[in-house]
Amino acid sequence: AQKVTQAQTEISVVEKEDVTLDCVYETRDTTYYLFWYKQPPSGELVFLIRRNSFDEQNEISGRYSWNFQKSTSSFNFTITASQVVDSAVYFCALKGRGGGSNYKLTFGKGTLLTVNP
Amino acid sequence: DTGVSQDPRHKITKRGQNVTFRCDPISEHNRLYWYRQTLGQGPEFLTYFQNEAQLEKSRLLSDRFSAERPKGSFSTLEIQRTEQGDSAMYLCASSETFYEQYFGPGTRLTVT
Repeated sequence: AQKVTQAQTEISVVEKEDVTLDCVYETRDTTYYLFWYKQPPSGELVFLIRRNSFDEQNEISGRYSWNFQKSTSSFNFTITASQVVDSAVYFCALKGRGGGSNYKLTFGKGTLLTVNP
Repeated sequence: DTGVSQDPRHKITKRGQNVTFRCDPISEHNRLYWYRQTLGQGPEFLTYFQNEAQLEKSRLLSDRFSAERPKGSFSTLEIQRTEQGDSAMYLCASSETFYEQYFGPGTRLTVT
C-alpha cells in the first residue's frame, strides 16, 4: 500500500519568511514518482513538480526548491521569501510503477499555508 | 492550450436524486482520471480511463457510481440515489503521458 504523510496541517508565516513543507512517503515499489501540487482558494490543483525515484538531485525553480531524500523517504518543499500569493493548500502525492498503483496518485492530506502581509 | 474543464462547477441536489457531471480533458490527452476530495483531505482516486476503456476503479466507487468515456473524448460521472456522504468536490484530471496529471476546477456537490 502507498501512503503519503504531511504532518503539518497548517502553517502561518509573515511575508518574506522562508517556509518548508514536509512530506514523508511509503511505498513498496522500487520505481515511483513524487509530485507537489498547489490548490489555491479557487480550488483547481496546479502541478508544480515531479521527481523520479531514481533521480535524487534536488531542484530549484525561482523561489521554490525541493529536497528529495530517499534514505528518509522524504520529499520536502521550500518556498524562499514567501509572498501572499503563495497562500494555498499544498499537496504531496505519490505514484507507483507496479501493479495496481500504476495509474493513480496517492495524496497526502495537504498543508494549508497562509502568508500574512 | 485549453485546460481541463468540468461542468457544472457547483451542484446542489436533494438526497435520492441522480446527478451527472461532465469532464472535458485537454485535447489529445488519452488518459482521464476522476478523484473525489472531501473537506480537509487530499483527493482520492475513483477511476481511470485510457481512451474509452475504463482500466481501473477504486472500491470507493460504489454501485451507485458509474463513469463513461464514449469515443475517448469527454467523460461523465453519474451518481444515482445520492446520499449526504456523497457531498464532496469531484475532480477530473487528464494526462498525455504516464506522469503528470492536470486537473480541472472540479464540481462541488452538495447533497441536502
